[in-house]
Amino acid sequence: GQNIDQPTEMTATEGAIVQINCTYQTSGFNGLFWYQQHAGEAPTFLSYNVLDGLEEKGRFSSFLSRSKGYSYLLLKELQMKDSASYLCAVSSSASKIIFGSGTRLSIRP
Amino acid sequence: NAGVMQNPRHLVRRRGQEARLRCSPMKGHSHVYWYRQLPEEGLKFMVYLQKENIIDESGMPKERFSAEFPKEGPSILRIQQVVRGDSAAYFCASSPDRNQYQPQHFGDGTRLSIL
Repeated sequence: GQNIDQPTEMTATEGAIVQINCTYQTSGFNGLFWYQQHAGEAPTFLSYNVLDGLEEKGRFSSFLSRSKGYSYLLLKELQMKDSASYLCAVSSSASKIIFGSGTRLSIRP
Repeated sequence: NAGVMQNPRHLVRRRGQEARLRCSPMKGHSHVYWYRQLPEEGLKFMVYLQKENIIDESGMPKERFSAEFPKEGPSILRIQQVVRGDSAAYFCASSPDRNQYQPQHFGDGTRLSIL
């Protein structure tokens, strides 16, 4: 079967660092995406990993371990506007991306 | 540079009616994907289309649902004889080609409510 697991909810403090984990089991693997989705809005692309290691992009970093079927999204210097759902998604074939249920991140002052 | 355009943003239908959701991909994109999202849940893949071709419809319910992407005009997701369980947000995404390394760009979605 195909399965992507990530925590349902997380809470963090403004200015702090938070790590959102994602584990996956898919029949194929062509890369892993992270998307941000604010309530009532479209998902927006954050990052893409296809090789093992860390990809850094400003305040956001994403890590991948293919052998462990594991990824995380690291958000630094949290801001209130970072309150959103974060979707982990795996490209399992040329035509299909499988999404996790998302992690709802709440930032408190 | 317009992004993915979906309309309508909100659609209300009574049980048994038909719902038509439209999606115009980003300029230069010829690949369209439809997803359904229930409240508090992730995106569920429905169908992947190129112009005049359905490439992968493995996520589409077997009955009442159909999709097309004609040579001219937007992609259409059609739901016949809607039921309460069809209430959801339907998102369309597009990409420039079949390269699985390309991120998909999403529209703002159509929120379908069934009375």
